[in-house]
Amino acid sequence: DAGVIQSPRHEVTEMGQEVTLRCKPISGHNSLFWYRQTMMRGLELLIYFNNNVPIDDSGMPEDRFSAKMPNASFSTLKIQPSEPRDSAVYFCASARDENIQYFGAGTRLSVL
Amino acid sequence: AQTVTQSQPEMSVQEAETVTLSCTYDTSESNYYLFWYKQPPSRQMILVIRQEAYKQQNATENRFSVNFQKAAKSFSLKISDSQLGDTAMYFCAFITNNAGNMLTFGGGTRLMVKP
Repeated sequence: DAGVIQSPRHEVTEMGQEVTLRCKPISGHNSLFWYRQTMMRGLELLIYFNNNVPIDDSGMPEDRFSAKMPNASFSTLKIQPSEPRDSAVYFCASARDENIQYFGAGTRLSVL
Repeated sequence: AQTVTQSQPEMSVQEAETVTLSCTYDTSESNYYLFWYKQPPSRQMILVIRQEAYKQQNATENRFSVNFQKAAKSFSLKISDSQLGDTAMYFCAFITNNAGNMLTFGGGTRLMVKP
Protein backbone atom coordinates (compact mmCIF):
# COMPACT_ATOMS: atom_id res chain seq x y z
CA ASP A 1 0.00 0.00 0.00
CA ALA A 2 1.24 3.51 -0.81
CA GLY A 3 0.23 4.90 2.57
CA VAL A 4 -1.54 8.20 3.11
CA ILE A 5 -0.81 10.54 0.21
CA GLN A 6 -0.86 14.30 0.64
CA SER A 7 -0.41 16.98 -1.97
CA PRO A 8 1.24 19.31 -2.45
CA ARG A 9 4.34 18.75 -0.31
CA HIS A 10 5.01 22.44 -0.20
CA GLU A 11 2.74 25.39 -0.85
CA VAL A 12 3.76 29.02 -0.90
CA THR A 13 1.03 31.57 -1.36
CA GLU A 14 0.25 35.19 -0.69
CA MET A 15 -2.04 36.45 2.00
CA GLY A 16 -5.65 36.50 0.87
CA GLN A 17 -5.31 33.65 -1.59
CA GLU A 18 -7.27 30.43 -1.40
CA VAL A 19 -5.30 27.31 -0.50
CA THR A 20 -6.47 23.73 -0.99
CA LEU A 21 -4.66 20.80 0.58
CA ARG A 22 -5.42 17.29 -0.57
CA CYS A 23 -5.34 13.88 1.04
CA LYS A 24 -5.84 10.32 -0.13
CA PRO A 25 -6.25 7.93 2.82
CA ILE A 26 -5.15 4.33 2.91
CA SER A 27 -7.63 2.13 1.09
CA GLY A 28 -10.03 0.45 3.51
CA HIS A 29 -9.58 2.99 6.29
CA ASN A 30 -12.80 4.54 7.52
CA SER A 31 -11.48 7.44 9.59
CA LEU A 32 -9.60 10.51 8.37
CA PHE A 33 -7.98 13.28 10.39
CA TRP A 34 -6.51 16.68 9.59
CA TYR A 35 -3.83 18.03 11.93
CA ARG A 36 -1.83 21.23 12.03
CA GLN A 37 1.69 21.37 13.45
CA THR A 38 3.40 24.58 14.55
CA MET A 39 6.33 25.28 16.83
CA MET A 40 4.15 27.24 19.23
CA ARG A 41 1.17 24.91 19.50
CA GLY A 42 2.54 21.50 18.53
CA LEU A 43 0.17 19.06 16.87
CA GLU A 44 -3.47 20.10 16.86
CA LEU A 45 -6.41 18.11 15.55
CA LEU A 46 -8.47 20.25 13.21
CA ILE A 47 -11.23 17.89 12.08
CA TYR A 48 -12.06 14.21 12.10
CA PHE A 49 -14.20 12.25 9.61
CA ASN A 50 -15.67 8.80 10.08
CA ASN A 51 -17.18 7.04 7.06
CA ASN A 52 -16.88 10.35 5.16
CA VAL A 53 -18.97 12.24 7.74
CA PRO A 54 -17.41 15.03 9.83
CA ILE A 55 -17.59 13.95 13.46
CA ASP A 56 -15.71 16.67 15.28
CA ASP A 57 -14.60 19.97 13.77
CA SER A 58 -14.08 21.80 17.05
CA GLY A 59 -10.41 22.22 16.23
CA MET A 60 -11.02 24.19 13.07
CA PRO A 61 -9.65 27.64 13.87
CA GLU A 62 -12.32 29.77 12.22
CA ASP A 63 -14.68 30.03 9.31
CA ARG A 64 -11.82 30.55 6.91
CA PHE A 65 -11.08 26.83 7.26
CA SER A 66 -13.28 24.17 5.71
CA ALA A 67 -12.83 20.46 5.05
CA LYS A 68 -14.66 18.00 2.86
CA MET A 69 -14.60 14.30 2.25
CA PRO A 70 -16.72 13.61 -0.83
CA ASN A 71 -15.81 9.92 -0.88
CA ALA A 72 -13.79 7.34 1.00
CA SER A 73 -10.63 7.98 -1.00
CA PHE A 74 -10.31 11.76 -0.99
CA SER A 75 -10.42 14.73 1.34
CA THR A 76 -9.59 18.41 1.07
CA LEU A 77 -8.76 21.12 3.57
CA LYS A 78 -9.36 24.60 2.27
CA ILE A 79 -8.28 27.95 3.68
CA GLN A 80 -9.96 31.01 2.22
CA PRO A 81 -8.66 33.66 2.58
CA SER A 82 -5.26 32.56 3.85
CA GLU A 83 -3.31 34.57 6.42
CA PRO A 84 0.39 34.48 7.47
CA ARG A 85 -0.57 32.89 10.81
CA ASP A 86 -1.88 29.88 8.90
CA SER A 87 1.71 28.98 8.00
CA ALA A 88 2.32 25.49 9.38
CA VAL A 89 2.70 21.87 8.42
CA TYR A 90 -0.66 20.22 7.79
CA PHE A 91 -0.93 16.48 8.22
CA CYS A 92 -3.59 14.08 7.11
CA ALA A 93 -3.92 10.71 8.84
CA SER A 94 -6.21 7.74 8.34
CA ALA A 95 -7.23 4.82 10.52
CA ARG A 96 -9.29 1.70 10.58
CA ASP A 97 -11.10 0.58 13.69
CA GLU A 98 -8.01 -0.51 15.61
CA ASN A 99 -7.16 3.09 16.46
CA ILE A 100 -3.75 3.18 14.77
CA GLN A 101 -3.45 6.37 12.78
CA TYR A 102 -1.13 6.44 9.80
CA PHE A 103 0.13 9.82 8.74
CA GLY A 104 0.93 11.31 5.39
CA ALA A 105 4.14 13.21 4.74
CA GLY A 106 2.46 16.54 5.41
CA THR A 107 2.09 19.77 3.46
CA ARG A 108 4.28 22.68 4.48
CA LEU A 109 2.25 25.84 3.93
CA SER A 110 3.85 29.26 3.86
CA VAL A 111 1.58 32.28 3.60
CA LEU A 112 3.52 35.43 2.78
CA ALA B 1 -9.32 17.20 30.22
CA GLN B 2 -6.97 14.67 28.73
CA THR B 3 -3.33 15.68 28.61
CA VAL B 4 0.03 14.23 27.69
CA THR B 5 3.25 15.60 29.16
CA GLN B 6 6.75 14.98 27.86
CA SER B 7 9.07 16.60 30.36
CA GLN B 8 12.27 16.32 28.31
CA PRO B 9 12.32 18.82 25.43
CA GLU B 10 15.70 17.57 24.22
CA MET B 11 17.91 14.56 24.83
CA SER B 12 21.08 13.15 23.37
CA VAL B 13 22.65 9.71 23.40
CA GLN B 14 25.77 8.13 22.02
CA GLU B 15 25.40 5.68 19.19
CA ALA B 16 24.87 2.11 20.47
CA GLU B 17 23.82 3.33 23.91
CA THR B 18 20.36 3.09 25.49
CA VAL B 19 18.08 6.05 26.10
CA THR B 20 14.69 6.40 27.79
CA LEU B 21 12.14 9.06 26.89
CA SER B 22 9.55 9.97 29.50
CA CYS B 23 5.82 10.46 29.07
CA THR B 24 3.00 10.94 31.54
CA TYR B 25 -0.66 11.35 30.75
CA ASP B 26 -3.88 12.15 32.48
CA THR B 27 -7.26 10.59 31.81
CA SER B 28 -10.19 9.37 33.83
CA GLU B 29 -10.84 6.56 31.35
CA SER B 30 -9.82 3.00 32.08
CA ASN B 31 -9.61 1.75 28.52
CA TYR B 32 -7.28 3.52 26.13
CA TYR B 33 -4.36 3.08 23.76
CA LEU B 34 -0.92 4.66 24.02
CA PHE B 35 1.47 5.38 21.19
CA TRP B 36 4.93 6.64 20.42
CA TYR B 37 5.41 8.35 17.08
CA LYS B 38 8.74 9.35 15.55
CA GLN B 39 9.17 12.41 13.35
CA PRO B 40 12.57 12.51 11.63
CA PRO B 41 13.82 15.58 9.74
CA SER B 42 11.83 14.40 6.73
CA ARG B 43 8.82 15.34 8.99
CA GLN B 44 6.97 12.08 8.25
CA MET B 45 5.12 10.90 11.37
CA ILE B 46 5.99 7.24 11.87
CA LEU B 47 4.34 4.93 14.38
CA VAL B 48 7.01 3.37 16.59
CA ILE B 49 5.05 1.34 19.11
CA ARG B 50 1.55 0.90 20.56
CA GLN B 51 0.29 -0.28 23.96
CA GLU B 52 -3.23 -1.26 24.95
CA ALA B 53 -4.00 -0.08 28.48
CA TYR B 54 -5.72 -3.33 29.40
CA LYS B 55 -2.54 -5.32 28.69
CA GLN B 56 -0.07 -5.56 31.53
CA GLN B 57 2.74 -6.82 29.34
CA ASN B 58 4.94 -4.06 28.00
CA ALA B 59 5.00 -3.75 24.22
CA THR B 60 8.25 -4.29 22.36
CA GLU B 61 9.20 -3.68 18.75
CA ASN B 62 12.77 -4.68 17.94
CA ARG B 63 15.04 -2.11 19.66
CA PHE B 64 12.05 -0.16 21.01
CA SER B 65 10.23 -1.08 24.20
CA VAL B 66 7.95 0.67 26.63
CA ASN B 67 7.60 0.77 30.39
CA PHE B 68 3.88 1.14 30.98
CA GLN B 69 2.91 1.99 34.56
CA LYS B 70 -0.87 2.34 34.51
CA ALA B 71 -1.31 3.38 38.13
CA ALA B 72 1.30 6.10 37.72
CA LYS B 73 -0.02 7.01 34.26
CA SER B 74 3.46 6.73 32.86
CA PHE B 75 4.49 5.44 29.44
CA SER B 76 8.22 5.72 28.77
CA LEU B 77 10.01 4.64 25.61
CA LYS B 78 13.34 2.84 25.75
CA ILE B 79 15.54 2.77 22.68
CA SER B 80 18.31 0.18 22.86
CA ASP B 81 21.44 0.16 20.69
CA SER B 82 20.69 3.69 19.45
CA GLN B 83 21.40 4.33 15.80
CA LEU B 84 22.02 7.57 13.95
CA GLY B 85 18.72 7.07 12.13
CA ASP B 86 16.90 7.30 15.46
CA THR B 87 17.60 11.04 15.51
CA ALA B 88 14.12 12.59 15.46
CA MET B 89 11.33 14.18 17.42
CA TYR B 90 9.41 11.62 19.46
CA PHE B 91 5.79 12.18 20.35
CA CYS B 92 3.81 10.34 22.98
CA ALA B 93 0.06 10.13 22.34
CA PHE B 94 -3.07 8.36 23.47
CA ILE B 95 -6.65 7.64 22.46
CA THR B 96 -9.58 6.86 24.73
CA ASN B 97 -12.76 5.17 23.62
CA ASN B 98 -14.82 8.17 24.69
CA ALA B 99 -12.75 10.44 22.47
CA GLY B 100 -13.47 8.34 19.42
CA ASN B 101 -10.32 8.08 17.40
CA MET B 102 -8.88 11.45 18.38
CA LEU B 103 -5.24 11.37 19.42
CA THR B 104 -3.96 13.60 22.20
CA PHE B 105 -0.27 14.39 21.65
CA GLY B 106 2.49 15.44 23.98
CA GLY B 107 4.80 18.32 23.12
CA GLY B 108 7.55 16.04 21.87
CA THR B 109 11.14 15.21 22.80
CA ARG B 110 13.94 15.97 20.36
CA LEU B 111 16.45 13.10 20.41
CA MET B 112 19.93 13.46 18.96
CA VAL B 113 22.03 10.34 18.47
CA LYS B 114 25.70 11.22 18.38
CA PRO B 115 28.34 9.18 16.55
